[in-house]
Amino acid sequence: DIQMTQSPSSLSASVGDRVTITCRPSQFIGNFLNWFQQKPGKAPKLLIYAASRLQSGVPFRFSGSGSETDFTLTISSLQPEDFATYFCQQNYNTPVTFGGGTKVEI
Amino acid sequence: QVQLVQSGAEVKKPESSVKVSCKTSAGTFYNYAFSWVRQAPGQGLEWVGGIIPLFNTTTYAQKFQGRVTIRADESTSTVYMELSSLRSEDTAVYYCAGDKARDPDYFETDLWGQGTTVTVSS
Repeated sequence: DIQMTQSPSSLSASVGDRVTITCRPSQFIGNFLNWFQQKPGKAPKLLIYAASRLQSGVPFRFSGSGSETDFTLTISSLQPEDFATYFCQQNYNTPVTFGGGTKVEI
Repeated sequence: QVQLVQSGAEVKKPESSVKVSCKTSAGTFYNYAFSWVRQAPGQGLEWVGGIIPLFNTTTYAQKFQGRVTIRADESTSTVYMELSSLRSEDTAVYYCAGDKARDPDYFETDLWGQGTTVTVSS
């Protein structure tokens, strides 16, 4: 199975801050890397797919970059509604695997 | 609007089985690849397995092989996940998720159901 190492596991930030989250797979995954946002009691929501493509309806302050074995999610200017937990996911092969999550707190 | 609607919460005894359903429209059923993903309390996301009716393929994570069965019922456009020999560690929210089918063993999770809480307790 492909292991997804996500960092940091949590971070404290303020409204307006630039936030960066990193995800490193244990092996090559091409650009088969997706990012999700999850709020308490809710299902995950897809933000970025194929490493850098913004899902329809997702604000432009979210962006994804990277390839092969090093990926980043960036929130350019943190908004109050962005305080949540973020997960990376690889679907290069099965089993699909997820990073451990990053909790973004005030 | 495409939706995945899951069955309600379950409370089960250890060693028993649970069956969770995920209903969608006929058009979505034939064109989607469905995954089951679980999340234990306060924990991360774990892929259990998936099914693609278009290609008639089913894939399970090795961890659940022998304990999980995922099937699709075309007459009701419903996907099911059954997990047997339940233990306390199986207590989690189980999500049905999916996206358009592209390959017999390729799963995307754009659309998510609301989740089903399964509690295993004696």
